Amino acid sequence: DTEVTQTPKHLVMGMTNKKSLKCEQHMGHRAMYWYKQKAKKPPELMFVYSYEKLSINESVPSRFSPECPNSSLLNLHLHALQPEDSALYLCASSQHTSGGPDTQYFGPGTRLTVL
Amino acid sequence: DQQVKQNSPSLSVQEGRISILNCDYTNSMFDYFLWYKKYPAEGPTFLISISSIKDKNEDGRFTVFLNKSAKHLSLHIVPSQPGDSAVYFCAASVAGTASKLTFGTGTRLQVTL
Repeated sequence: DTEVTQTPKHLVMGMTNKKSLKCEQHMGHRAMYWYKQKAKKPPELMFVYSYEKLSINESVPSRFSPECPNSSLLNLHLHALQPEDSALYLCASSQHTSGGPDTQYFGPGTRLTVL
Repeated sequence: DQQVKQNSPSLSVQEGRISILNCDYTNSMFDYFLWYKKYPAEGPTFLISISSIKDKNEDGRFTVFLNKSAKHLSLHIVPSQPGDSAVYFCAASVAGTASKLTFGTGTRLQVTL
């Protein structure tokens, strides 16, 4: 089983709203990721959590706030977003194999529209 | 600086024929390479991978070839089926780290009847 689940599937929010995206995996993976994908572009990494600690932040604006409550869950809290933040937000997880290849498995994504 | 490149934005292949998707990279630190398939508004689906100690990996209809000296990899799909129509991304990483995947820009494959 290589399933990563994400909720909600679609989200429409205003620029003053606060919302959260959720991601869950039950594969025992110890690394989890948030990516952002705009139309006709490749996914861009936002954050990496390794053993529930934030290990990479790709200079993402503070209006995006990640949280990793436990090894299976990853949240992305959204506040005061801009219309240009509208995109497909993808969660991924990987085993975080020490010294070996590490395959990332992606969820279906949340389509976010900011009005 | 685009470290992973897919120079063909689109490819059209007849059903039953071979599809060959190409990918070039510039960073010699990359030692693990992956191919993902993506439908619109869905997450990428992992297809096949190869580590730099190999030059070929096969899984059913999918074969990935790696030429380290040329910093080039390719994905062969044979025989191609209409359900293979999607965008294909190659990606590269440094093995053994929970680090970023560097994606290519994608190739849209259309398999025609």
